[in-house]
Amino acid sequence: EAEVAQSPRYKITEKSQAVAFWCDPISGHATLYWYRQILGQGPELLVQFQDESVVDDSQLPKDRFSAERLKGVDSTLKIQPAELGDSAMYLCASSLAPGTPNSPLHFGNGTRLTVT
Amino acid sequence: QKEVEQDPGPLSVPEGAIVSLNCTYSNSAFQYFMWYRQYSRKGPELLMYTYSSGNKEDGRFTAQVDKSSKYISLFIRDSQPSDSATYLCAMIEYGNKLVFGAGTILRVKS
Repeated sequence: EAEVAQSPRYKITEKSQAVAFWCDPISGHATLYWYRQILGQGPELLVQFQDESVVDDSQLPKDRFSAERLKGVDSTLKIQPAELGDSAMYLCASSLAPGTPNSPLHFGNGTRLTVT
Repeated sequence: QKEVEQDPGPLSVPEGAIVSLNCTYSNSAFQYFMWYRQYSRKGPELLMYTYSSGNKEDGRFTAQVDKSSKYISLFIRDSQPSDSATYLCAMIEYGNKLVFGAGTILRVKS
């Protein structure tokens, strides 16, 4: 079964440094999502792409976070500078289309970020 | 008040028990209701989804929705140690973003 690929699996960085996460969605999935999951909480949407366009980044801290999906396929999420409160699991998900469970989200295994 | 409330547990049961996991929500516009299972160090995987009030069964799993009470449940029959995971409820308005509960940690003891 096709999977969403994410790298790296784990990242430890010092505060004020820059970090980047990469995601390769399932082939053919036009919608791509980045979620942040703090330990003990459910995932929260950071940004949603439809092809190469951002359709929802209302919860993305834009002073330090950026996301791109230049060719409408893979995507990169960047944090600069990292803060202690950014320690979390960063999950990427993809779906054929947004907004319905007939097109469910498929999640990758995430990147566990620790900021020291 | 959060849009979706879910007891974080942990819930510990013996193997073979019937498990009941629940969520309440406040947004009456939610139309689709889903349950995801998340094993440790893994991403969530979709277990079941339902649209209308009532029950939906899939093997040992039954999803129940009561829109009038804004309450959803997931029942697991004959629970197995392999069911030990975090169970996340999630809800969506058509065309809008998915909203997750905090997740309930389930431990099934052999």
